Amino acid sequence: AQSVTQLGSHVSVSEGALVLLRCNYSSSVPPYLFWYVQYPNQGLQLLLKYTSAATLVKGINGFEAEFKKSETSFHLTKPSAHMSDAAEYFCAVTDYSSASKIIFGSGTRLSIRP
Amino acid sequence: DAGVIQSPRHEVTEMGQEVTLRCKPISGHNSLFWYRQTMMRGLELLIYFNNNVPIDDSGMPEDRFSAKMPNASFSTLKIQPSEPRDSAVYFCASSLGVPNGELFFGEGSRLTVL
Repeated sequence: AQSVTQLGSHVSVSEGALVLLRCNYSSSVPPYLFWYVQYPNQGLQLLLKYTSAATLVKGINGFEAEFKKSETSFHLTKPSAHMSDAAEYFCAVTDYSSASKIIFGSGTRLSIRP
Repeated sequence: DAGVIQSPRHEVTEMGQEVTLRCKPISGHNSLFWYRQTMMRGLELLIYFNNNVPIDDSGMPEDRFSAKMPNASFSTLKIQPSEPRDSAVYFCASSLGVPNGELFFGEGSRLTVL
């Protein structure tokens, strides 16, 4: 079955600094990959998704992610962190055993220091 | 569109009681998912439906849990009898059911079993 691994359960950066959240997937074929964000006391919402059209994917709020097949990675980045970016971020992959089934990673909590 | 609607938002009950969580998916979406989120286990897929039919319930913890989708606009997740370890936030999500389809989450139902 497909799976994703998120390295680091908690990442803390200063306001204005680069944000880098890591995600690696396990698959022998390119999967569909997603990043979701969860703000406190809310459900998850889609940040961006990779669907093989382009390896660099731009999402909302200035986030982007690059699909690297050779590294089986789909890391999330943002050049300059804002206080409002503090949230939990989840990497997710479509399970090929059932194309509609989306499997989530364990999440990375992003904190922003003033 | 009102989005995915879940009720109740908060439920506090005593061990042994029956709990019913409700979900109204986005109109036109044909896939519906129930997830459970806890600090220890993260976001777990419990069950999902395509066109009102349960496709994969392998994530349902045990026979105390059951889910139904009697029509395209309504689903329930029932726990009977409830136990303290069932305490979690339960999310319902819906999608168009395509492989790269975005999941739209409700705001969740926070369950506390005393």
